[in-house]
Amino acid sequence: ETGVTQTPRHLVMGMTNKKSLKCEQHLGHNAMYWYKQSAKKPLELMFVYNFKEQTENNSVPSRFSPECPNSSHLFLHLHTLQPEDSALYLCASSQDFRGGGRVETQYFGPGTRLLVL
Amino acid sequence: AQKITQTQPGMFVQEKEAVTLDCTYDTSDPSYGLFWYKQPSSGEMIFLIYQGSYDQQNATEGRYSLNFQKARKSANLVISASQLGDSAMYFCAMREDTGGFKTIFGAGTRLFVKA
Repeated sequence: ETGVTQTPRHLVMGMTNKKSLKCEQHLGHNAMYWYKQSAKKPLELMFVYNFKEQTENNSVPSRFSPECPNSSHLFLHLHTLQPEDSALYLCASSQDFRGGGRVETQYFGPGTRLLVL
Repeated sequence: AQKITQTQPGMFVQEKEAVTLDCTYDTSDPSYGLFWYKQPSSGEMIFLIYQGSYDQQNATEGRYSLNFQKARKSANLVISASQLGDSAMYFCAMREDTGGFKTIFGAGTRLFVKA
């Protein structure tokens, strides 16, 4: 399944670096998500975009800056990160139709393993 | 507030046997969806199965079935005929129909399949 791709797969950066994570979905969905998965913690929702508009910002520090230029692409710009930001960053997408009693499934990419030194 | 609980941090199962992974949830929304995902060591979250709160029958997808007991607010995943490739982390998740785009995930259960 290559419906959602993420690059890079692995990233090591210093605290003063600036880097970006990229996510692309080929499923024709209109909602895209960033999640953070730290060791021994549940998956945490960071941001949601629906039709390119940000609909959720789950109290994420400003050193994480999302960008959604279109419904197929999502970026996460990183700057002055801290070692505790080291985690697996997962992107997901879904087709979102509101109501009707059905909640749409999110499909995930393979993730970017980030290490902040 | 919505909540997902997976009480089994780790489970062992013999190859070819069935295993049940527990999940309980809490919500006041009458319309919601429940999901199970598999996460192998590679990191990707693989969608396995979905159950809607209004679905009359338990969901099934190949070797996966969801034992949905609405009154007890449980949504256990049953894997039949376990295979070595089933060894992974398994996450239960829930999304409320009126909860915006938020999906909450449980802490996960690590499944080990023994040969």
